[in-house]
Amino acid sequence: SQKIEQNSEALNIQEGKTATLTCNYTNYSPAYLQWYRQDPGRGPVFLLLIRENEKEKRKERLKVTFDTTLKQSLFHITASQPADSATYLCASVYSGGGADGLTFGKGTHLIIQP
Amino acid sequence: GEEVAQTPKHLVRGEGQKAKLYCAPIKGHSYVFWYQQVLKNEFKFLISFQNENVFDETGMPKERFSAKCLPNSPCSLEIQATKLEDSAVYFCASSHGPRTGNYEQYFGPGTRLTVT
Repeated sequence: SQKIEQNSEALNIQEGKTATLTCNYTNYSPAYLQWYRQDPGRGPVFLLLIRENEKEKRKERLKVTFDTTLKQSLFHITASQPADSATYLCASVYSGGGADGLTFGKGTHLIIQP
Repeated sequence: GEEVAQTPKHLVRGEGQKAKLYCAPIKGHSYVFWYQQVLKNEFKFLISFQNENVFDETGMPKERFSAKCLPNSPCSLEIQATKLEDSAVYFCASSHGPRTGNYEQYFGPGTRLTVT
């Protein structure tokens, strides 16, 4: 079955540094991976999507990579700010269709310290 | 609307009672999804719809859970005879249809179900 693992439950980073979050998948090859941000008491908010044939995607201070050899995606936040503190979720989709449910990792709780 | 709406925010049911949750997807979105989040971060996919048709229900415990998305009505998720382990936050999400190729999902604020 599809399995997504986010290595760190929690990550503490000093303000201004780059935060790097890891997402690994096993037993399958996802058509694409998505990254979401979740704040306490709220639903996840979409950040970035990267397809299996893409190596890297960027959006403002965010960057995501997809390495099909390592079966891994890295999510980077550069010039991190305390407002970036939240739980970040990696999610995969097995096929390319838009109606497939997401398989989520357990999330990484990111804390940016001033 | 531009946001996924979910009602109620909180729902408390005694074990064995029925629970019904509602979701209004973003107007123009063709896909609707239901997820269950227990223990803070454990998300479980339950079911997806393409318009009013069930697309994937592999995550649904079918003996007690049912869901519908009928035209001109909010989508609903119903749990018959709730159990303690059904206590969770239930999220609804919607996304654009196949024409746009945009597969990001927009989540509602969730319904917290507490079974006592």
